[in-house]
Amino acid sequence: DAGVIQSPRHEVTEMGQEVTLRCKPISGHNSLFWYRQTMMRGLELLIYFNNNVPIDDSGMPEDRFSAKMPNASFSTLKIQPSEPRDSAVYFCASSLRPGSGNTIYFGEGSWLTVV
Amino acid sequence: GESVGLHLPTLSVQEGDNSIINCAYSNSASDYFIWYKQESGKGPQFIIDIRSNMDKRQGQRVTVLLNKTVKHLSLQIAATQPGDSAVYFCAETINFGNEKLTFGTGTRLTIIP
Repeated sequence: DAGVIQSPRHEVTEMGQEVTLRCKPISGHNSLFWYRQTMMRGLELLIYFNNNVPIDDSGMPEDRFSAKMPNASFSTLKIQPSEPRDSAVYFCASSLRPGSGNTIYFGEGSWLTVV
Repeated sequence: GESVGLHLPTLSVQEGDNSIINCAYSNSASDYFIWYKQESGKGPQFIIDIRSNMDKRQGQRVTVLLNKTVKHLSLQIAATQPGDSAVYFCAETINFGNEKLTFGTGTRLTIIP
């Protein structure tokens, strides 16, 4: 099993630029999550999808953030325009619901630096 | 608002000894808890979980204890190894079918050779 695949692994961009993070969930999983991790705030849930439908986006910081899941094997998290305070590690995760409780499998993360 | 928190941000343990990582939660409605391990540069990895109808669950070298009375969760790691060095997070959710996990701030465990 390839696990959750994220790209890019590292990105450095200038303030104001658009950033697109990509995620491929584990095959067969039907829930997908985007988390953000910072030293100050820890792991925060931004949004999650079930069967490609956004279920809860209350964690999305503001309108500059958007997420899509056009099909069961792909999701994007976009930041436009990016700001230095968006610098963080962004994790994508997936799970199979129902059946495995809340076992959520994380990708390796996308390390974003906005300068 | 309510959140999951940890008593100790860092913990150093001699290799071979047992370690205990603690977690306090404030949401009395939480009934499902998970421990994750995060190694440097990697994503969190599932270790073990427990539902609120249990007070103890054992895995391979790990045991999770749940005390609902005082809203306390702990992770015990037996015979620690260098590979156990990582940040450990507890996470909670309101019910077993709810996928919206709230993570604690994490405890860094360092194994001393």
